[in-house]
Amino acid sequence: QVQLVQSGAEVKKPGASVKVSCKASGYTFTSYAMHWVRQAPGQRLEWMGWINAGNGNTKYSQKFQGRVTITRDTSASTAYMELSSLRSEDTAVYYCARAPKEWGRGYYYMDVWGKGTTVTVSS
Amino acid sequence: QSVLTQPPSASGTPGQRVTISCSGSSSNIGSNYVYWYQQLPGTAPKLLIYRNNQRPSGVPDRFSGSKSGTSASLAISGLRSEDEADYYCAAWDDSLSGSWVFGGGTKLTVL
Repeated sequence: QVQLVQSGAEVKKPGASVKVSCKASGYTFTSYAMHWVRQAPGQRLEWMGWINAGNGNTKYSQKFQGRVTITRDTSASTAYMELSSLRSEDTAVYYCARAPKEWGRGYYYMDVWGKGTTVTVSS
Repeated sequence: QSVLTQPPSASGTPGQRVTISCSGSSSNIGSNYVYWYQQLPGTAPKLLIYRNNQRPSGVPDRFSGSKSGTSASLAISGLRSEDEADYYCAAWDDSLSGSWVFGGGTKLTVL
């Protein structure tokens, strides 16, 4: 079955960076993209960006452009999300989600989600 | 950045039918598919509906989706206690350089 296993919780100081991993299994990793979505306490889901795991192309939300980097290691079937210049408002649960292509449209949607990684930013 | 609008709460008794609305604009719901996700307490979101009204395998047919213009709805019939969860709508937004947008979530309580 499709599984996305994310790395463990992180506590970071303001100004630092965090890198979260998402290891995929149960499907052909390079046949899908991978989204990263976060959810701050009591807030709505917020899309950060995606990576086409096949060719490595990325697309980022304008809100996070310049601060987020999404990469992948095809040999390890793992996607990564790195967020820099952390501030307290970045405290959230970060999810990866498998992304099938919506054929005929220029985007990928989210079907299977990882369990989330809690990132706490505190001095 | 555009967002989608949902009622913050909804409720029903077991066996009832409830609907949850999601309002957007021409750049998101008006021109793209709507997706619905269920988030049980303390868990990750789960895809319930894709392409406005399609159910992934394993999702009961008690869940159904519809779209009209710039609004969409999720209907749950034969309400069960295990349906108590947060429900989010989502759509791709074509404005600016494109982005996914989500509703604020509707907390469904089964009375």
